[in-house]
Amino acid sequence: SYQLTQPPSVSVSPGQTARITCSGDALPKKYAYWYQQKSGQAPVLVIFEDNKRPSGIPERISGSSSGTKATLTITGAQVDDEGDYYCYSTDTSGNLWVFGGGTKLTV
Amino acid sequence: EVQLVQSGAEVKKPGESLKISCKGSGYTFPMYGIGWVRQKPGKGLERMGVIYSGDSDTTYSPSFQGQVTISVDKSINTAYLQWTSLKASDTAIYYCARHVGFNISSSRYFDYWGQGTLVTVSS
Repeated sequence: SYQLTQPPSVSVSPGQTARITCSGDALPKKYAYWYQQKSGQAPVLVIFEDNKRPSGIPERISGSSSGTKATLTITGAQVDDEGDYYCYSTDTSGNLWVFGGGTKLTV
Repeated sequence: EVQLVQSGAEVKKPGESLKISCKGSGYTFPMYGIGWVRQKPGKGLERMGVIYSGDSDTTYSPSFQGQVTISVDKSINTAYLQWTSLKASDTAIYYCARHVGFNISSSRYFDYWGQGTLVTVSS
């Protein structure tokens, strides 16, 4: 099996920078994707292919990846950014796609 | 506008069968796959599988292989997730999502999601 490891929770004050990490052995060679899920809602794609933003996603949300760790950064976090964030990626074979366990962001 | 509209909530008894649906609109349906994702109460997201709408090729994540069946009817732009014998542990919200990329693509992900279907299995 393959696992992506995220911290269970991250807490920041409004206006601060929130960083959520995702660790996985295959990340040096595989893309990471990030989803935001607000309470009672369906997930929303916020970052694809490590660092690309879909249309409509604010610039304060960015992604990066280095070595075995991908990072989602929310600059100037707002209360509206609260929710659960999940990374998504695959193992080295490209056949087993998994979500990380999720990180609860509190602003 | 891309939309995925799922069928309504279901309440079933253990051992019963069920088929839920996901209808896509606002895009060329055969050009994308449809994936299914499970979310148990208070828990995280679990990828179940993906069906490639063009050729109906289907891949399942190991935990779900043999447990569910994913199918598609291209004539009505609709994908399905079905069970032959439900268990209480199948109680969850099930999301469908549009899948970008094919089996050989290095980039594969879900970009648009349905609203979710709550399935409750209880005696």
